[in-house]
Parts: sequence; structure tokens; C-alpha cells
Amino acid sequence: GAGVSQSPSNKVTEKGKDVELRCDPISGHTALYWYRQSLGQGLEFLIYFQGNSAPDKSGLPSDRFSAERTGGSVSTLTIQRTQQEDSAVYLCASSLGGSYNEQFFGPGTRLTVL
Amino acid sequence: SQKIEQNSEALNIQEGKTATLTCNYTNYSPAYLQWYRQDPGRGPVFLLLIRENEKEKRKERLKVTFDTTLKQSLFHITASQPADSATYLCALEMDTGFQKLVFGTGTRLLVSP
Repeated sequence: GAGVSQSPSNKVTEKGKDVELRCDPISGHTALYWYRQSLGQGLEFLIYFQGNSAPDKSGLPSDRFSAERTGGSVSTLTIQRTQQEDSAVYLCASSLGGSYNEQFFGPGTRLTVL
Repeated sequence: SQKIEQNSEALNIQEGKTATLTCNYTNYSPAYLQWYRQDPGRGPVFLLLIRENEKEKRKERLKVTFDTTLKQSLFHITASQPADSATYLCALEMDTGFQKLVFGTGTRLLVSP
């Protein structure tokens, strides 16, 4: 079956512009996660959804970052007024939910802020 | 504060040898630990999960150990192949009911023919 997909695969934007990153999880996966990975760095947790609700938003770096999930499926991560330090690969993952389940990752969106 | 450490230096080994990667953590009481493989330009791929009450887990040429006293996990690849070259990430989830994984920075493995 289809895996996790993300779009766009690459996004170049100018400082101060808003961007939207999309994630399509695996069908039937109730949990969805967003991570950020900077060059040579590990994965930084941003936000987690169980269904459409986000019980843990602790990783969002600032109030310029927001995310939503609709219909228990597609999720959008929005970054407002982008800054150069926002440049990174944004990874989305989904899982069946509950503990002890593996996460399935998408290929990521590479964001470059000029 | 909570911290996960993986050797940031690349591990270079010859084909056929056993690769051993280390994951150390502090200030955690993880319910389980996962290992992922990440290739350049791709998202991580799940390899193995080991629970806090398990000492060792095996899958084909892979073996993971989990020592909650030492707060350490070791990841072994036996009979390594050049195709095993990748970055390997460990990830822990605390037994808090949340499903948030905290990842280490990963160790790059290079297997030479």
C-alpha cells in the first residue's frame, strides 16, 4: 500500500513569507507526527496528533509555527513569516497509535529560506 | 535535562565485520527503545523495537541489547555489507502515555568492500 507522502518535496521561499507543508499519512493511522531535521542534526519533535487533536504541541519552536489535521487524515504544517533559521527538512510520520508501534516516515520537505 | 547520546563520529568498518553502535541516555525511564535507519535524502525507516523488560532482540543480521541499569542500548550488524552503510538513529519513548519519540542524533556507518 501507499506510504506516507509529503508535498512539496522542496520549497524555496523568501524570508518573511508564509509556507504550508502537507502530509498524507498511511490510511488508518490515527497518530501523526511532525519533526524537523537540520543539516547533520537529529530529529527534533515538533507536534503530535491523535486523530484531529494535538495533545502535545510542546516542540513547536515559536508561535509562527502551527499545524492542523482534518478528517483524521491529512495534516498541514504552517510556518508564518519564515526566517532563515527555519531552513531544514521537515519530516512527517504516522503510526497506528498507542505505545510500541513503529512510526512510518515520509520523504520529507526540504525548506530553504533565502 | 533529558539527553540521548550517539557517537557523532562515523564508524568505518570492513565488509564482513560486525558493526556495533551505541546509544546512551540520561534522565530517562523509557518504556522501550527503537532503532531506525536513515539514508541520505530519505526519511528514517524502522528496524527494531526493544522493551524495557527485554535484554536482547534479534532480526536477521541485526541484534539490539537494552541495559536499563547502564542506560544504554547497543545495536549490532553482523556480517556487514556495503549496503548497510547509512545513519542509524536510536529513539526512546517515556512511559507517560504519550507516543512522542525522542531521537538521538544518529551514527553514520560506512562499510567498505
